[in-house]
Amino acid sequence: GENVEQHPSTLSVQEGDSAVIKCTYSDSASNYFPWYKQELGKRPQLIIDIRSNVGEKKDQRIAVTLNKTAKHFSLHITETQPEDSAVYFCAASTQPLLRFGNEKLTFGTGTRLTIIP
Amino acid sequence: NAGVTQTPKFRVLKTGQSMTLLCAQDMNHEYMYWYRQDPGMGLRLIHYSVGEGTTAKGEVPDGYNVSRLKKQNFLLGLESAAPSQTSVYFCASSLSVGETQYFGPGTRLLVL
Repeated sequence: GENVEQHPSTLSVQEGDSAVIKCTYSDSASNYFPWYKQELGKRPQLIIDIRSNVGEKKDQRIAVTLNKTAKHFSLHITETQPEDSAVYFCAASTQPLLRFGNEKLTFGTGTRLTIIP
Repeated sequence: NAGVTQTPKFRVLKTGQSMTLLCAQDMNHEYMYWYRQDPGMGLRLIHYSVGEGTTAKGEVPDGYNVSRLKKQNFLLGLESAAPSQTSVYFCASSLSVGETQYFGPGTRLLVL
């Protein structure tokens, strides 16, 4: 099955600087890569996702890049703010028609991002 | 539109007791999932369902059972609770596997 590794496990960044979180996946059939943000005591929420037919996607200060050849994808947060402090999870999955019985997301172990004022 | 709701929010059990966690969604989603979240372990999938009447095992299914008798509800059962099942349990739902998963607020379970 799919295995997703996420690095680093903790990251501290000065407010205003950029933060980068990286993930690798093992199943070459994976084609959907979402990122979730979980604030302390709250539920995970989707912040951005990318599909295998594109290499990069941006949404204001957040961007995700995908390298299918190397099987890795990254989350980039620019001009970080205190409200960016949270745990971030990457995930990977395949479309059900491609791999029957694999209708689920596999999550990374998370990165705790702390923004230092 | 409440999204995904979970009951109860918090529960304390003694070893060997049983309980059922209820997840409900009002978005007409086909897919529903149960995860557990432990410190440093991320989100681990327990069981999931791809439609009413279906269930499938996830990464850590032992000690848990599930049922999806109605499309909007997904129940997670612990027949004989163990201290190792102390965790935060999240339910989620989505239209499809390649679509956004919407999470419930979580259930904090403590097994003594």
